[in-house]
Amino acid sequence: DTEVTQTPKHLVMGMTNKKSLKCEQHMGHRAMYWYKQKAKKPPELMFVYSYEKLSINESVPSRFSPECPNSSLLNLHLHALQPEDSALYLCASSLGQGAVSGELFFGEGSRLTVL
Amino acid sequence: AQKVTQAQTEISVVEKEDVTLDCVYETRDTTYYLFWYKQPPSGELVFLIRRNSFDEQNEISGRYSWNFQKSTSSFNFTITASQVVDSAVYFCALSGPNTGNQFYFGTGTSLTVIP
Repeated sequence: DTEVTQTPKHLVMGMTNKKSLKCEQHMGHRAMYWYKQKAKKPPELMFVYSYEKLSINESVPSRFSPECPNSSLLNLHLHALQPEDSALYLCASSLGQGAVSGELFFGEGSRLTVL
Repeated sequence: AQKVTQAQTEISVVEKEDVTLDCVYETRDTTYYLFWYKQPPSGELVFLIRRNSFDEQNEISGRYSWNFQKSTSSFNFTITASQVVDSAVYFCALSGPNTGNQFYFGTGTSLTVIP
């Protein structure tokens, strides 16, 4: 069983909807990540939170808004998305930011379809 | 520049055959980390191994083995006596100071083990 839990597993939304993806970990990790993965492509980094502060934003459009309410939770708020935003959104965590702190632990992902 | 190349896009083998997945990387860092992840159809990326640039010892874990050669900038992964459950996409990843200590994934190799 994964120790990083993502909800929902599947989400279908229209371009005018507002929805959120949620991620939770209870491993005491202080870094949390959002990745976007299109079919047959590698994961692409979107955001990194370290100690609950946003440390990296990979020039992601503002229609994606991350939030880290506490060290165990990570949200991704979605608004006015485009069909090309349809993808698998993966949450990950690590002990600290960067590979020197260890590996990334991934959730199973939230598969998003934008109509 | 940081780069990870997985030249094999798709591989098919018959069950019980051995298979090697290739990974070649480029980095200007002297200290860096290499990883292998497995992504089954369920979507979750499963951590397999982390290796730092100062440890060139090969590693064996059950049917899995890894061959790290700095001289050729390669970190190859071999599955011995493949099984159907090994069918997945396998990603090699690199992390170091020139990637902001983030993870740079190769394009992945899709392995199909035929019963």
